[in-house]
Amino acid sequence: NAGVTQTPKFQVLKTGQSMTLQCAQDMNHEYMSWYRQDPGMGLRLIHYSVGAGITDQGEVPNGYNVSRSTTEDFPLRLLSAAPSQTSVYFCASTRTGGVEKLFFGSGTQLSVL
Amino acid sequence: AQSVTQPDIHITVSEGASLELRCNYSYGATPYLFWYVQSPGQGLQLLLKYFSGDTLVQGIKGFEAEFKRSQSSFNLRKPSVHWSDAAEYFCAVGANTGNQFYFGTGTSLTVIP
Repeated sequence: NAGVTQTPKFQVLKTGQSMTLQCAQDMNHEYMSWYRQDPGMGLRLIHYSVGAGITDQGEVPNGYNVSRSTTEDFPLRLLSAAPSQTSVYFCASTRTGGVEKLFFGSGTQLSVL
Repeated sequence: AQSVTQPDIHITVSEGASLELRCNYSYGATPYLFWYVQSPGQGLQLLLKYFSGDTLVQGIKGFEAEFKRSQSSFNLRKPSVHWSDAAEYFCAVGANTGNQFYFGTGTSLTVIP
């Protein structure tokens, strides 16, 4: 059982470039989410989804887009990367948001130059 | 507004000593409380959770936490720390009235021999 799989593990971008962080889970979880982790800031929610076709904004959504076409996948898109988006990104899923434990991917370390 | 406060940014303890990590929350609904641990370069792993019932909950790796509603606290404890416990610890709160989890800023634990 793979759990939550994130790719890539590391990425370096130039300012203005676009890219997609991939996230897939094989646990049939309805709830999926993206967090960014910055020193001294903990984990901050970017976007989340409670099921295929449904997405919503979290605490820090600006500069990021998401879509949920299938239950398994929840990609995070950076349309025009900025140095402020340098961070470690985590995808997490659970059966029911807010009440059950989150299963985390291993993270993507992104640097924007 | 919902929030989680972990007042200790960094804690150093000797191996074999007891440990207490503090967590205070602010949440209007009945809280679902979690403690996660993050080893270097890894995603977060659930240590324990509290939903209802007995206010003292046991988790993995010998950790326990006590929910005190009057103090809005959910402190994590371990009677005897092992060197392998060195990691970052996050407190989080969720609720069945919403789909979001809120994380504290984390406490970094160093264990000295």
